[in-house]
Amino acid sequence: DAGVTQSPTHLIKTRGQQVTLRCSPKSGHDTVSWYQQALGQGPQFIFQYYEEEERQRGNFPDRFSGHQFPNYSSELNVNALLLGDSALYLCASSLRPQALMNTEAFFGQGTRLTVV
Amino acid sequence: AQTVTQSQPEMSVQEAETVTLSCTYDTSENNYYLFWYKQPPSRQMILVIRQEAYKQQNATENRFSVNFQKAAKSFSLKISDSQLGDTAMYFCAFMNRPEGMDSNYQLIWGAGTKLIIKP
Repeated sequence: DAGVTQSPTHLIKTRGQQVTLRCSPKSGHDTVSWYQQALGQGPQFIFQYYEEEERQRGNFPDRFSGHQFPNYSSELNVNALLLGDSALYLCASSLRPQALMNTEAFFGQGTRLTVV
Repeated sequence: AQTVTQSQPEMSVQEAETVTLSCTYDTSENNYYLFWYKQPPSRQMILVIRQEAYKQQNATENRFSVNFQKAAKSFSLKISDSQLGDTAMYFCAFMNRPEGMDSNYQLIWGAGTKLIIKP
């Protein structure tokens, strides 16, 4: 079992560009949550997808959008990139949203996005 | 709004020593979950230990244990017999105990403590 996989591992983009990050959940998991972790800080919740719908959203602007596919994989899209979007983007998967309360949530190794 | 505070940006101890990482949180809820996660240089978050607020008994996982003080809203992590592999960022996190599918299942995180175990 490959666990949670994220791609790419590193990415450099220019201000104003758009970026797409990808996450494949652990086998058997159907829920994907995305977090933004700025350098030296704890993660901030972006949104969560379950049954191909955005179920919850954190305090992020509409430039951040996502999608979940029938195979439960997910994409995070960020439009009109700003320098402040530079961060590590983490994906977590679980079996249904409520599993995040217990030990059944697994994280990927993240995508390091640098905006120049 | 719930907040999580980790007041120790960095700690350093010798191998085999015991170290305690501090965490305080603020919430008006009575039922919730608290977590300690480890983030090694590989960047992958790994769950270390979890505590349910309605359980008075402190959680333990091998060398890791917590001191949960609900009234003081304190949730510290003790690592006994520290090992070089314990070197990592440690994050304290909070989640309300949701009641249904439309409930809020997001984790709220502290800023982290960098723990260095010296040989």
